Amino acid sequence: AQSVTQLGSHVSVSEGALVLLRCNYSSSVPPYLFWYVQYPNQGLQLLLKYTSAATLVKGINGFEAEFKKSETSFHLTKPSAHMSDAAEYFCAVSESAGANNLFFGTGTRLTVIP
Amino acid sequence: GAVVSQHPSRVICKSGTSVKIECRSLDFQATTMFWYRQFPKKSLMLMATSNEGSKATYEQGVEKDKFLINHASLTLSTLTVTSAHPEDSSFYICSAVSGTVNTEAFFGQGTRLTVV
Repeated sequence: AQSVTQLGSHVSVSEGALVLLRCNYSSSVPPYLFWYVQYPNQGLQLLLKYTSAATLVKGINGFEAEFKKSETSFHLTKPSAHMSDAAEYFCAVSESAGANNLFFGTGTRLTVIP
Repeated sequence: GAVVSQHPSRVICKSGTSVKIECRSLDFQATTMFWYRQFPKKSLMLMATSNEGSKATYEQGVEKDKFLINHASLTLSTLTVTSAHPEDSSFYICSAVSGTVNTEAFFGQGTRLTVV
């Protein structure tokens, strides 16, 4: 069985501050992990994914995430928040690198304060 | 990236009526499409997987006679909520993949269904 827990349904940061969105997973098999972003009235867009290669994964828009097996975590970070980063972020786990049958977290809404 | 268009984005219907939601891949052929449902403050939950030209595979607990899925072409899948009830009110979102196992899934913008 697979599941994802996102701590914090709402995170607020100041523009230029560090962004940290938390994700912990549970999986009975080696997981594939994903972060998606959803802007208002748009579909989910893939930010980055972990597919058992490098544990530090770099994605689009300056985001990165580190896979820590010992902590069963895949937290998303960005050194300096931009106003355009305000959106809903979803962490997801799958048994497949191809993002089939994704199990999503409940999402974290990021607000960036000018 | 590839574009998946979902229509309508919002729909309000009366109890007992049926509602059809369309999911289209605009610039690629989607061999497989997925339908998800999201309750308020809950995760997106996979409802069913549909492959072009074959019957959809439903997840446990999803009523296939209530949520009819048709994937008649490589660019279109439809979800029909039959005899809708207020508890069917939710956010429905589709995704589409093409080709091999390791391809990326592209998501539609979702449909907010309200049953009154």
